[in-house]
Amino acid sequence: GAVVSQHPSWVICKSGTSVKIECRSLDFQATTMFWYRQFPKQSLMLMATSNEGSKATYEQGVEKDKFLINHASLTLSTLTVTSAHPEDSSFYICSARDLSGGAYEQYFGPGTRLTVT
Amino acid sequence: GENVEQHPSTLSVQEGDSAVIKCTYSDSASNYFPWYKQELGKRPQLIIDIRSNVGEKKDQRIAVTLNKTAKHFSLHITETQPEDSAVYFCAAITAAGNKLTFGGGTRVLVKP
Repeated sequence: GAVVSQHPSWVICKSGTSVKIECRSLDFQATTMFWYRQFPKQSLMLMATSNEGSKATYEQGVEKDKFLINHASLTLSTLTVTSAHPEDSSFYICSARDLSGGAYEQYFGPGTRLTVT
Repeated sequence: GENVEQHPSTLSVQEGDSAVIKCTYSDSASNYFPWYKQELGKRPQLIIDIRSNVGEKKDQRIAVTLNKTAKHFSLHITETQPEDSAVYFCAAITAAGNKLTFGGGTRVLVKP
């Protein structure tokens, strides 16, 4: 149980274009999902907290107009990187909390590697 | 907000030896401390966690200890094997908060 999927697993896009990443909880409902960014050889940095049916809460320094987050259902959250630039190239990972289980456990998606050329 | 420091950043051990990774946290309200193992290009995987009402927890070759007074917790891996080679992250979360704060990671290399 507690499986989280992400799509796509990798994507290459041209500078200036937008790309959408999907995060799904497959076998549980997730009222809260999280989006992280991880640069090579670095830790996971939280970008935003996504709550179903409400606006996402962004961490300091993360541009909300550039990283659009939508959490339209209890099983799906999307991250859209708008006007992507090479410095946005990174590994993007989502996670979700399973409220039916422990209060704190988060389950991670497999990640999406974004390369902006 | 919470700040989690992790040491060492790299750790090389001989197969069969033990590995110890240490983390400190700043927010005394933190009460859940998971440890994740991440292989290259893959998702972090929860390997063990501990809650603030427990001082130690063990699962086969892996154990975690928590010292609330000192605000530090440690991961112990015994009888290391080459497949233990990965990056390990500690993290902390508060009861009131919603967010995991990660340590900087430890790259563990187990030499056969």
